[in-house]
Amino acid sequence: EAQVTQNPRYLITVTGKKLTVTCSQNMNHEYMSWYRQDPGLGLRQIYYSMNVEVTDKGDVPEGYKVSRKEKRNFPLILESPSPNQTSLYFCASSFGRRNSPLHFGNGTRLTVT
Amino acid sequence: KNEVEQSPQNLTAQEGEFITINCSYSVGISALHWLQQHPGGGIVSLFMLSSGKKKHGRLIATINIQEKHSSLHITASHPRDSAVYICAAIMDSNYQLIWGAGTKLIIKP
Repeated sequence: EAQVTQNPRYLITVTGKKLTVTCSQNMNHEYMSWYRQDPGLGLRQIYYSMNVEVTDKGDVPEGYKVSRKEKRNFPLILESPSPNQTSLYFCASSFGRRNSPLHFGNGTRLTVT
Repeated sequence: KNEVEQSPQNLTAQEGEFITINCSYSVGISALHWLQQHPGGGIVSLFMLSSGKKKHGRLIATINIQEKHSSLHITASHPRDSAVYICAAIMDSNYQLIWGAGTKLIIKP
């Protein structure tokens, strides 16, 4: 089954404790991206990747890192999480940026205390 | 001012009603996505269109690139259609996505 797998679904952590949210797709998609969704602000892009070893900042990259060592995986890394990173996070993938349908993971609800 | 505006922000209707959600944008685009997000969070792509009209079941999406406007219609609405509907425009200059704020739809039985 074609899917984007995101883990974990829920995560509660404390300020400063490094964490990684994983994202994997099995559709051989070149384009992958991370979003955060906050009430009243909609979806905002954190980082995106056009292909292996090609990543770029989105609208709200501060406090986040990503890597794209393999085509299927695009982990989101919070080196030192802070409470303002409490949010709902989504990973998405598509064949390209231009005119391809987006496939989303199920989301990760992160709480930083 | 947002480059992608959705209206209405909230919509409550009775089961069976015809629903229209609008998306207007101010930038040049190559295509536009319509997505659905149910309570509980998952986001599903409904349509991606660059011209004309697409239909899937009771859902119809239309776009007029020149008028910078797209609509999502739901015929014979059902409580299971209750969700947030989001449009996202693909800018033709750099293929970045610009997201609408979403329309929260509630269909009452």
